[in-house]
Amino acid sequence: AAGVIQSPRHLIKEKRETATLKCYPIPRHDTVYWYQQGPGQDPQFLISFYEKMQSDKGSIPDRFSAQQFSDYHSELNMSSLELGDSALYFCASSSEREVFVGEQFFGPGTRLTVL
Amino acid sequence: GDSVTQMEGPVTLSEEAFLTINCTYTATGYPSLFWYVQYPGEGLQLLLKATKADDKGSNKGFEATYRKETTSFHLEKGSVQVSDSAVYFCALSDPGTSGTYKYIFGTGTRLKVLA
Repeated sequence: AAGVIQSPRHLIKEKRETATLKCYPIPRHDTVYWYQQGPGQDPQFLISFYEKMQSDKGSIPDRFSAQQFSDYHSELNMSSLELGDSALYFCASSSEREVFVGEQFFGPGTRLTVL
Repeated sequence: GDSVTQMEGPVTLSEEAFLTINCTYTATGYPSLFWYVQYPGEGLQLLLKATKADDKGSNKGFEATYRKETTSFHLEKGSVQVSDSAVYFCALSDPGTSGTYKYIFGTGTRLKVLA
């Protein structure tokens, strides 16, 4: 079965640079969530999109922005990177039409290292 | 707001020992509850889930029962293996006032099983 695809899997950036993370949800899933997991931490919700509109916002810095495109893939744009942005970034997708509403399917994550 | 509280780790057990990882939650509505497992350097894998009171989720010998009266979803396994060594996250999904199904994670419990 198709799963959530994230790219790149690993990314190394310098401070003050920008980074773009991509997420391709499971086909026919209409909702995308982004999470940030710092070293030894639990995943923290950043932002979500439903049908290409932002549906909820968590602890996402103003330096970050995201959007969901017409093909439902999503991109997380991170600017003015700081050392503290080094983390594993997960994307998850779900479908509001699924019987088991509320279950999310996670991608493998993008590990961002800021030097 | 919604929250999940997990027992702190690390938990160290001998192979074939009984495992319990406690998880309690607070939620405004009627959440769905999940256990995810994360192996070193990998993403989040759904272990089991439950959507309503008294539901029992089970998978790979792990079980958890949704207890509304005690707001708990404790993870259990009768006989652990070395391969179960990982970090376990309890999570809830509750649309509550936001209307979205973002996950709230517990802090994770690291399990180490010794041969």
